[in-house]
Amino acid sequence: DSGVTQTPKHLITATGQRVTLRCSPRSGDLSVYWYQQSLDQGLQFLIQYYNGEERAKGNILERFSAQQFPDLHSELNLSSLELGDSALYFCASSVGPGTNTGELFFGEGSRLTVL
Amino acid sequence: AQKVTQAQTEISVVEKEDVTLDCVYETRDTTYYLFWYKQPPSGELVFLIRRNSFDEQNEISGRYSWNFQKSTSSFNFTITASQVVDSAVYFCALSEKNNNAGNMLTFGGGTRLMVKP
Repeated sequence: DSGVTQTPKHLITATGQRVTLRCSPRSGDLSVYWYQQSLDQGLQFLIQYYNGEERAKGNILERFSAQQFPDLHSELNLSSLELGDSALYFCASSVGPGTNTGELFFGEGSRLTVL
Repeated sequence: AQKVTQAQTEISVVEKEDVTLDCVYETRDTTYYLFWYKQPPSGELVFLIRRNSFDEQNEISGRYSWNFQKSTSSFNFTITASQVVDSAVYFCALSEKNNNAGNMLTFGGGTRLMVKP
């Protein structure tokens, strides 16, 4: 158990819909990261938040957005869903903002299926 | 730009065999971090190791060992006396220090290891 909690574990929805994925980081971790794992693209970095502020952006679509709340949990919002958005979405957390500030621990992922 | 290549997409071994998973990386930074993660069939990503670019010492942890060679930009992972429970997809990843993305990892495509009894 990494200590990173993601909900829901599984989600099935239709094209055009909007979903929200939630992540609670490990106790004491200030950074939260979102990654997408799809068959086509492999594991890709989407976005990072550190202590409530956006820190870095990767290959995140404009239809997707995220935020980190004062209690440090984070939500990833996916809208106008397309079939290609079907993937496993991972949240990860670390103590600090950078690679040299601690290991990166991943949650179990939220599997999104868009029909 | 950083890149990680895991040329072996799938490896099949019989239990108790040793197996080495290859990882080759590309980066322009002199300071970077390398990682290995395990993804068992249940789907979670399990952290195995993190090394920084200044530490070229090989590391051993039980049946696992890692060989970091900057000269060939490789960070290979060996499992000794493999077991069925080692069956998983293994990912190598790289993070550059001098980017704005902190722990932004670039992952390789993964190697699926199947250990047969």
